[in-house]
Amino acid sequence: KAGVTQTPRYLIKTRGQQVTLSCSPISGHRSVSWYQQTPGQGLQFLFEYFSETQRNKGNFPGRFSGRQFSNSRSEMNVSTLELGDSALYLCASSSWTEQETQYFGPGTRLLVL
Amino acid sequence: QKEVEQNSGPLSVPEGAIASLNCTYSDRGSQSFFWYRQYSGKSPELIMFIYSNGDKEDGRFTAQLNKASQYVSLLIRDSQPSDSATYLCAPRSYNTDKLIFGTGTRLQVFP
Repeated sequence: KAGVTQTPRYLIKTRGQQVTLSCSPISGHRSVSWYQQTPGQGLQFLFEYFSETQRNKGNFPGRFSGRQFSNSRSEMNVSTLELGDSALYLCASSSWTEQETQYFGPGTRLLVL
Repeated sequence: QKEVEQNSGPLSVPEGAIASLNCTYSDRGSQSFFWYRQYSGKSPELIMFIYSNGDKEDGRFTAQLNKASQYVSLLIRDSQPSDSATYLCAPRSYNTDKLIFGTGTRLQVFP
């Protein structure tokens, strides 16, 4: 069974731009969670989607948004990028049948200049 | 008080020794607890999870849970240099049902 995939793997943007990251969960998984990881803050929860509905949201500004499609693929968007948005963005998928164990993708490393 | 507390380390142990990684959490309602390992530059990978008080063993790894003390630990027996990584503790919040990650403990196993 293929794992979680994320695209792109690396991205360089400049301040003020916007970016869209994509995540394809493990086949059969309907829940997708997004995290931001930085050296200082560790793993910070952004949001979770289940069956195209946002189920949970972390404490991030409205510049961070996401959505999930009917095939469970998910995208997150960051508008008006700031230098502090430079981070590793991780997507994790889970299945209710596996007691909600989350499996992480390889991440997208975003650098904002 | 942080929701999940872990000693950042580094915890240095010799090859073959037992490494003990500790985690405390503040949400008394948390029912499930996950341990992830993260190598430098890589994404976290699940090692094991535990739901019940007591010990749960999986190969060289043992998770220990004490809900009354709000404490969970991970023991790694016969530590190997390949175990050198950051270990993340993540209780699942009872109220929000989401994982709350600690900042991790960096483990170094030296030959």
